[in-house]
Amino acid sequence: NSKVIQTPRYLVKGQGQKAKMRCIPEKGHPVVFWYQQNKNNEFKFLINFQNQEVLQQIDMTEKRFSAECPSNSPCSLEIQSSEAGDSALYLCASSLGGGQLYFGEGSKLTVL
Amino acid sequence: GDSVTQTEGQVTVSESKSLIINCTYSTTSIAYPNLFWYVRYPGEGLQLLLKVITAGQKGSSRGFEATYNKETTSFHLQKASVQESDSAVYYCALGDNTNTGKLTFGDGTVLTVKP
Repeated sequence: NSKVIQTPRYLVKGQGQKAKMRCIPEKGHPVVFWYQQNKNNEFKFLINFQNQEVLQQIDMTEKRFSAECPSNSPCSLEIQSSEAGDSALYLCASSLGGGQLYFGEGSKLTVL
Repeated sequence: GDSVTQTEGQVTVSESKSLIINCTYSTTSIAYPNLFWYVRYPGEGLQLLLKVITAGQKGSSRGFEATYNKETTSFHLQKASVQESDSAVYYCALGDNTNTGKLTFGDGTVLTVKP
């Protein structure tokens, strides 16, 4: 059972709508990742944080996507204006380091 | 850039038979990548199966093994005798040596074990 908690499990949005997903990382894990997994099972790294600070992010997340990991609050990933191509499974993972990531079950976004 | 290739998208094996899932990697940015196999069982989240950080070493878990071969840039997953409970999606991945580095995943192999 995942100790990384992601909510909601499913969300359905119309094009142009905001979509927001939340993630509670495993307790004590300083590093948090967001990945997008499309219907072809392809993973795309979006962004990672260490102790609330952004470490790396791809260009995509600098435009319509925003993410934050405030202290004492869930991390979040928000899409400002959803597009059909954003339909995917969004995975949050946390880590103590060393490359072992602990994944949540994901938030499945469908953009109609 | 970095990439991971799993040649088989789907594999079907009969119970008690042997299994090999191929994984090759390419990296232009990481001199000594760490290599991983992750697995997603039905209804569960993605979880680490095994990890090897040193070239030439073998990792093992739950009867699965994988050897880090730097010469052939491969990290194939093998099991001598599969069980129905091994049915899952398996992902090969590579990462850098930093504690905060991201992983690059292959596209996954769906393993179905027939009773």
